[in-house]
Amino acid sequence: ELKVEQNPLFLSMQEGKNYTIYCNYSTTSDRLYWYRQDPGKSLESLFVLLSNGAVKQEGRLMASLDTKARLSTLHITAAVHDLSATYFCAGDNNNDMRFGAGTRLTVKP
Amino acid sequence: NAGVTQTPKFQVLKTGQSMTLQCAQDMNHEYMSWYRQDPGMGLRLIHYSVGAGITDQGEVPNGYNVSRSTTEDFPLRLLSAAPSQTSVYFCASSSLGGAGEQFFGPGTRLTVL
Repeated sequence: ELKVEQNPLFLSMQEGKNYTIYCNYSTTSDRLYWYRQDPGKSLESLFVLLSNGAVKQEGRLMASLDTKARLSTLHITAAVHDLSATYFCAGDNNNDMRFGAGTRLTVKP
Repeated sequence: NAGVTQTPKFQVLKTGQSMTLQCAQDMNHEYMSWYRQDPGMGLRLIHYSVGAGITDQGEVPNGYNVSRSTTEDFPLRLLSAAPSQTSVYFCASSSLGGAGEQFFGPGTRLTVL
């Protein structure tokens, strides 16, 4: 059974700083997903990573995937307050999806 | 396109009552799924479907039933509600091929007294 672990669970950053969220998974995952959730809202898809070495970037967020290490990272560059949210990674093994517990990110001025 | 829609937005049930949460998508996606999200936790997969007539259990299926008679609709039935089923429920859909990006509905907040 696929298990997905994220760390850290809580992250408080200053504006302008860089940081990385880590997502480890236990067994083969067909895809690796990153989502953002604002308080009281639904989930918004950020990235879908399909293969080893995949890297995707959107604005200040960059996601990468290392299937050999079973590790995905979400790197935040020069954080701004608008990035404050909870970020989830998820994997899927033959359409059976598993989510990490989420990283609650707070960006402070 | 409306995307993924869910009804109702809020629901309060008494223990033992049954109800159906509705989910519909208009993107012709093969894959549809139901999740529950409890406070401070990630999403847990309840049931999923890869096409009309095909359903499968996820991580936490007990107490829930699903059916998929059309591509568009994927209702979730609570057979006999229990306080442990108090949660926010999300429906999602995606295509099976390609990137497989999942689109989520707005959620249903369910309270079981």
